[in-house]
Amino acid sequence: AQSVTQLDSQVPVFEEAPVELRCNYSSSVSVYLFWYVQYPNQGLQLLLKYLSGSTLVESINGFEAEFNKSQTSFHLRKPSVHISDTAEYFCAVSNTGFQKLVFGTGTRLLVSP
Amino acid sequence: GAGVSQSPSNKVTEKGKDVELRCDPISGHTALYWYRQSLGQGLEFLIYFQGNSAPDKSGLPSDRFSAERTGGSVSTLTIQRTQQEDSAVYLCASIGGGSVYQNTEAFFGQGTRLTVV
Repeated sequence: AQSVTQLDSQVPVFEEAPVELRCNYSSSVSVYLFWYVQYPNQGLQLLLKYLSGSTLVESINGFEAEFNKSQTSFHLRKPSVHISDTAEYFCAVSNTGFQKLVFGTGTRLLVSP
Repeated sequence: GAGVSQSPSNKVTEKGKDVELRCDPISGHTALYWYRQSLGQGLEFLIYFQGNSAPDKSGLPSDRFSAERTGGSVSTLTIQRTQQEDSAVYLCASIGGGSVYQNTEAFFGQGTRLTVV
């Protein structure tokens, strides 16, 4: 079975500062990894995903995540955040048969001016 | 429809009553998930349907919870004899259709906010 740990429940940061949201997973088999975002009063939506190939994946709004198999991590980073990035971010994992998508407890990113 | 639809959007019920939550997935999507979102608990997996296979019910917290999916489309989550700890947002997601690459994106509904008083 897969599991996900997001150690930071809340990350406060100033606008234009860099940010890293941590995600570690546990699995005995190969995995797919995902970051989902939930903006205030909106539904969850996919931000980016790693399936195979390049270990560095990017989103259209400047976020990136790197799959590190040896450290079983998939941390999310952005070099310069905007107020509009304020949201809750969820890391998720599934096996490559895509059974049972499992989410972490989420990290609330709070960007202030 | 264009997206995953859940109804009702809000439900207030008395402790001990039964409730039914409905999910209409995106047409053609073969997989359907139910999750429960509580403050500080993230998204708790409840149940997973994939095509005609037996559902994965391993996340259902008690035998008061059950779910079915009729005709491979609409799903209903039923909670019997509701308790105050059942209060949460219940989310439905569907996956499938298109390319193999697209088959890994979960599309979520807006959720049903259940309050047990």
